[in-house]
Amino acid sequence: QLQLQESGPGLVRPSETLSLTCTVSGGSISRSSYYWGWIRQPPGKGLEWIGSSYYSGSTYYNPSLKSRVTISVDTSKNQFSLELSSVTAADTAVFYCARHWDDSSGYSYFDYWGQGTLVTVSS
Amino acid sequence: SSELTQDPAVSVALGQTVRITCQGDSLRGSYANWYQQKPGQAPVLVIYGKNNRPSGIPDRFSGSSSGDTASLTITGAQAEDEADYYCNSRDSSGNLYVIFGGGTKLTVL
Repeated sequence: QLQLQESGPGLVRPSETLSLTCTVSGGSISRSSYYWGWIRQPPGKGLEWIGSSYYSGSTYYNPSLKSRVTISVDTSKNQFSLELSSVTAADTAVFYCARHWDDSSGYSYFDYWGQGTLVTVSS
Repeated sequence: SSELTQDPAVSVALGQTVRITCQGDSLRGSYANWYQQKPGQAPVLVIYGKNNRPSGIPDRFSGSSSGDTASLTITGAQAEDEADYYCNSRDSSGNLYVIFGGGTKLTVL
């Protein structure tokens, strides 16, 4: 059974960079045709896609966050990571990592999710 | 960019059938997928693509689509189905750009 687990600081200062890692177990990041994605959810609000990356390095970002986001994959550790720079209080959210299937026939869904980690931006 | 619109709240009597809708231009070219999220938990995929259920999802959950509107139907709603439901799809731009609906809070009476 595939499992994903987010890790990283729960508190980040304004203007600094938020960094999270997702560790994948029960399957290999590089032995599949899936992307690996990040989604966030501000307290009491809905889901927002941040971006997704293929193990080979192809990455796609939400245009609204693209200038501040970097997603990278480390196949040797079976992990992928998120960096979000210049954070403000508006970036406070629960951050989820997830396995992402996307293809040219119109399918684009997240089938396995981590439990989520709350990151608060505050001084 | 595209948007997906969902009704903020829907209610259903225990054992009855409820339909939750998701509307957006992107649905004319991409499938809607549906997620169930209970308080304090991660979302769970319940329907993906044309009408596919992941392993372990009860068959009372089904999906359909017509034009720019997709629907999630729960036939014989149970108390444990009370949750927030989100739809998502690929944007119609052709690039890999994922959009989510605003979510529907389902109350089972």
